[in-house]
Amino acid sequence: AQSVTQLDSHVSVSEGTPVLLRCNYSSSYSPSLFWYVQHPNKGLQLLLKYTSAATLVKGINGFEAEFKKSETSFHLTKPSAHMSDAAEYFCVVSFSGSARQLTFGSGTQLTVLP
Amino acid sequence: DTAVSQTPKYLVTQMGNDKSIKCEQNLGHDTMYWYKQDSKKFLKIMFSYNNKELIINETVPNRFSPKSPDKAHLNLHINSLELGDSAVYFCASSQGLAAAYEQYFGPGTRLTVT
Repeated sequence: AQSVTQLDSHVSVSEGTPVLLRCNYSSSYSPSLFWYVQHPNKGLQLLLKYTSAATLVKGINGFEAEFKKSETSFHLTKPSAHMSDAAEYFCVVSFSGSARQLTFGSGTQLTVLP
Repeated sequence: DTAVSQTPKYLVTQMGNDKSIKCEQNLGHDTMYWYKQDSKKFLKIMFSYNNKELIINETVPNRFSPKSPDKAHLNLHINSLELGDSAVYFCASSQGLAAAYEQYFGPGTRLTVT
């Protein structure tokens, strides 16, 4: 079965400290992987994507993620959290290469403390 | 300029009514989508529409019917509304159906069925 799991429903960090949001997937095929961010009462915005090129992917606002096939993971990181990073983050996977079959993780709520 | 817009932003209605949500994109994209986000923020794709080809998600009740008068618009009509239809509905668009294409999301329509 193909699935995507976000390991933490809530993550809380202090401003200026590193951020780690974890995502694991289960698939027999090489997936396309994405991280989207949703600020309160807003639509989703793409942070970064992996589509079988470089395994370390850099995104907007200082975020990056590393595709680790051996660990079936695609964790999202940022060296230093900013207050404006507080939002809901979704790990999204396509196992077929088609947007028709995107699978969303359950989301991780990031809180940034002053 | 807003890339993907939805109207209305909020919709409160009674069970059994029929309602529509409108979506417009000014990005020149070929592909549009409807998503449903439930109260636990879980996102699920409902429909994708690409160059007059409608892809229906099998789990969506046939009370939901998308209508596309042209490539820039994809409206969602819901018949005989039920309490369980209460959710936030997002419209999105992309250049094509390949998962590698970034999806641009609208701000969402919060539907409340009483």
